[in-house]
Amino acid sequence: DAKTTQPPSMDCAEGRAANLPCNHSTISGNEYVYWYRQIHSQGPQYIIHGLKNNETNEMASLIITEDRKSSTLILPHATLRDTAVYYCIVRVGLSNSGYALNFGKGTSLLVTP
Amino acid sequence: GAVVSQHPSWVICKSGTSVKIECRSLDFQATTMFWYRQFPKQSLMLMATSNEGSKATYEQGVEKDKFLINHASLTLSTLTVTSAHPEDSSFYICSAMGLTGEQYFGPGTRLTVT
Repeated sequence: DAKTTQPPSMDCAEGRAANLPCNHSTISGNEYVYWYRQIHSQGPQYIIHGLKNNETNEMASLIITEDRKSSTLILPHATLRDTAVYYCIVRVGLSNSGYALNFGKGTSLLVTP
Repeated sequence: GAVVSQHPSWVICKSGTSVKIECRSLDFQATTMFWYRQFPKQSLMLMATSNEGSKATYEQGVEKDKFLINHASLTLSTLTVTSAHPEDSSFYICSAMGLTGEQYFGPGTRLTVT
């Protein structure tokens, strides 16, 4: 799976949009971009994933650049409960579903009042 | 839907004893489950891949005789830490793979070995 690079930490004011970047310059054509988050002392939680089109769900939006070498996770209105470590993971798609997720160091997001 | 539970949520045991951690997929069947370990301020590290009805596949550096994994049914996998030592103290997390390939994570088990 392709390697990802994320900033180690970010701050965001409550109510503002949190934009979390991820670089994955070696991504292959059949690899998806997945985002998970882990609130302290809990198991990871799935947020969103995409291949090349932008995606949106009730939690977040995922913007993938046209060359697919980077992406941004957007939490449109961050709340204090969004404070967590966010992991950007690149892996082959669902047709190869036997693969575990390779967690990097992630970005520690702190949402402040 | 897609809920994964772990039991116990935390456990304290004495050095030299064994501890069993259960991972259950509550509302779906999972042919594949994964076990991860997370030390303080570090990321999750994959320990092993567990397939129902077959032997688990362990990652390099993980002792299969120390970390016994059993996946006897489509909804249950167990991890037994045998002859636990203080350095085995960690946060153990399982995930279960659904039919569509998504992974759903359990809440984790905090193991402290004294």
